[in-house]
Amino acid sequence: SQQGEEDPQALSIQEGENATMNCSYKTSINNLQWYRQNSGRGLVHLILIRSNEREKHSGRLRVTLDTSKKSSSLLITASRAADTASYFCATAAGPGTASKLTFGTGTRLQVTL
Amino acid sequence: GAVVSQHPSWVICKSGTSVKIECRSLDFQATTMFWYRQFPKQSLMLMATSNEGSKATYEQGVEKDKFLINHASLTLSTLTVTSAHPEDSSFYICSARPLGEAWVHYGYTFGSGTRLTVV
Repeated sequence: SQQGEEDPQALSIQEGENATMNCSYKTSINNLQWYRQNSGRGLVHLILIRSNEREKHSGRLRVTLDTSKKSSSLLITASRAADTASYFCATAAGPGTASKLTFGTGTRLQVTL
Repeated sequence: GAVVSQHPSWVICKSGTSVKIECRSLDFQATTMFWYRQFPKQSLMLMATSNEGSKATYEQGVEKDKFLINHASLTLSTLTVTSAHPEDSSFYICSARPLGEAWVHYGYTFGSGTRLTVV
């Protein structure tokens, strides 16, 4: 399987704390994306980082990418109960529209009050 | 932003019947759409890549005669689960990427998914 691995599989934190999720992948990539999925729903795009980028920020999100280690991390700062969801990394091998996404195993984040 | 509409959101069918799931790109044209399957508390597994006007490309282990994909127009792809059995019960999600550079900011667009239950 070419599927990437994410850790932890599950993470439970209190509101206000930071949440860090890690993703490892196996093949060369053009870009890596992070998605969020609420239970039983579709996926919502969070942030994309290209292979020539090392770090990217968007609001409370910070993503890093280390292509030498084939790994990425997603940091959510000052978490809120509404951040409770599953988070997936996904890699694309090419820039074209036909470039399929390969998803990681996902991290289930639970943020409690 | 780009929107993908997936229908139905849930369906219950009897074993042996066929079910069709539609995926429409509402405000953009999608020459390529992707179909995923997701089991409870698991990740998305790509089933096939749907190509407008040509045959779909199936991932290894996915039965093309079982999961029929038709991409007859630039805005519509359908997945038909033929002769469904209980083991086909799953969450099916479609996805597309708009042309141009907007995807760098908005990523791929996903449908809301279809929960299929075969009884």
